[in-house]
Amino acid sequence: QKEVEQDPGPLSVPEGAIVSLNCTYSNSAFQYFMWYRQYSRKGPELLMYTYSSGNKEDGRFTAQVDKSSKYISLFIRDSQPSDSATYLCAMWGRGAGNNRKLIWGLGTSLAVNP
Amino acid sequence: EAQVTQNPRYLITVTGKKLTVTCSQNMNHEYMSWYRQDPGLGLRQIYYSMNVEVTDKGDVPEGYKVSRKEKRNFPLILESPSPNQTSLYFCASTTMFRGQGYGYTFGSGTRLTVV
Repeated sequence: QKEVEQDPGPLSVPEGAIVSLNCTYSNSAFQYFMWYRQYSRKGPELLMYTYSSGNKEDGRFTAQVDKSSKYISLFIRDSQPSDSATYLCAMWGRGAGNNRKLIWGLGTSLAVNP
Repeated sequence: EAQVTQNPRYLITVTGKKLTVTCSQNMNHEYMSWYRQDPGLGLRQIYYSMNVEVTDKGDVPEGYKVSRKEKRNFPLILESPSPNQTSLYFCASTTMFRGQGYGYTFGSGTRLTVV
C-alpha cells in the first residue's frame, strides 16, 4: 500500500465549477501537508501549506485536513481555464535513516473547459 | 528573485557519456533534493542533502551521484548514463526549522534523453 494515494483523474469540469481534489494517507504521524500545482513542462509550485487538522483559505483555494480520517482536500472555487494543471499533494514523513522526506501523491490532472 | 536554477533545460546524450546537471539556489536553503518524474510513477527522489557535505540516497539513487560542497549548489552527476535514465529531472530546495521542512521551491526542470 502506498503511503499517499491520489486519484490521477483526469478530471474535466466547466469553467466556474467548484473542484474538489483529494488525497488519503496511511501514516498518522504526518502533520505538515502541501498542495502543489504543476503546469505542463514546468516545475511544481507550492499552492498551500497546512499544519494538522482544519481549513486554510487563500483566494479561490481552500485546503482541508482531516487527520482522523487521514484525508486531505483542495477545493478550487470559480475554476478558471488557467487552473488547468496537475495538482499534487505532499506531506512530510520520514525516509530511511529516519531523515525527513516529502511523500508525494501521483497527481490529479485537471482540465477546466471554457 | 528567489529561485532554483537548473541547467541545461534540455539534453540529449549517448549511452555512457558522463554528464552533469547543475542546480543552484539563492535562498540560503539547507535542504536540497533531486527528483525524477516519469509518467505513471510521479516524483521520485534520487538524492537529497540536509546541508553542506551531508548527502543521502533517496528512493532511486542507482546510477547517480551528487555532491554538496557549497550551500547554494547541488549538482547531479550521471557517470555512465543509460536509456532508462531518460526522464524529466527537478532540483528543489527548502529551509528547515527544528528539523521540519517547509514547501519546496522547484527548478524549471531538465529534460534528459539518453540514446
